[in-house]
Amino acid sequence: DTAVSQTPKYLVTQMGNDKSIKCEQNLGHDTMYWYKQDSKKFLKIMFSYNNKELIINETVPNRFSPKSPDKAHLNLHINSLELGDSAVYFCASSQVGEKLFFGSGTQLSVL
Amino acid sequence: KNEVEQSPQNLTAQEGEFITINCSYSVGISALHWLQQHPGGGIVSLFMLSSGKKKHGRLIATINIQEKHSSLHITASHPRDSAVYICAVSPGTDKLIFGTGTRLQVFP
Repeated sequence: DTAVSQTPKYLVTQMGNDKSIKCEQNLGHDTMYWYKQDSKKFLKIMFSYNNKELIINETVPNRFSPKSPDKAHLNLHINSLELGDSAVYFCASSQVGEKLFFGSGTQLSVL
Repeated sequence: KNEVEQSPQNLTAQEGEFITINCSYSVGISALHWLQQHPGGGIVSLFMLSSGKKKHGRLIATINIQEKHSSLHITASHPRDSAVYICAVSPGTDKLIFGTGTRLQVFP
């Protein structure tokens, strides 16, 4: 069983579309994250949720809206996609003060 | 200047060599993470440490809080160690600040 699973693995879409990426963890962790990895492979945190509550929102455009229906799921919805949104998006989870577990990433390409 | 600096950016080694990757940071932290990103893109957490030294197999991570410096060592390197190694620091919140990574290639 995959500990942190995110879908889809690849997402190709046109500018202006709305898309979602789903993430689920079966580790019982309280905290979940979304990270963005740009074309230079630099990782940056976007959001952090603890027990379904938003903890961190790092100057991300409000076209990006995370949704946590329960503490095992943290989905990322993106409205009005732009070329600059093309990147790899990683979901992760952890228990407070412990190591992170990452999903396998979603490569988003906006054409 | 990034709050987390890694060196070297790129590293090439022959199989069996001892490898050191360095990480320096400029903020106060509660913990430091070493991550490994495989060529296929997946990210694995290798260590999380807040003091001293940790060892797992051929990997050793050390941290000097006073010097704001950490090192990741790989003993008896192997081609399967080829990956990008990323240092990240936690400034006391759930936020992680990442270094730009060190690309390691180990040749047989």
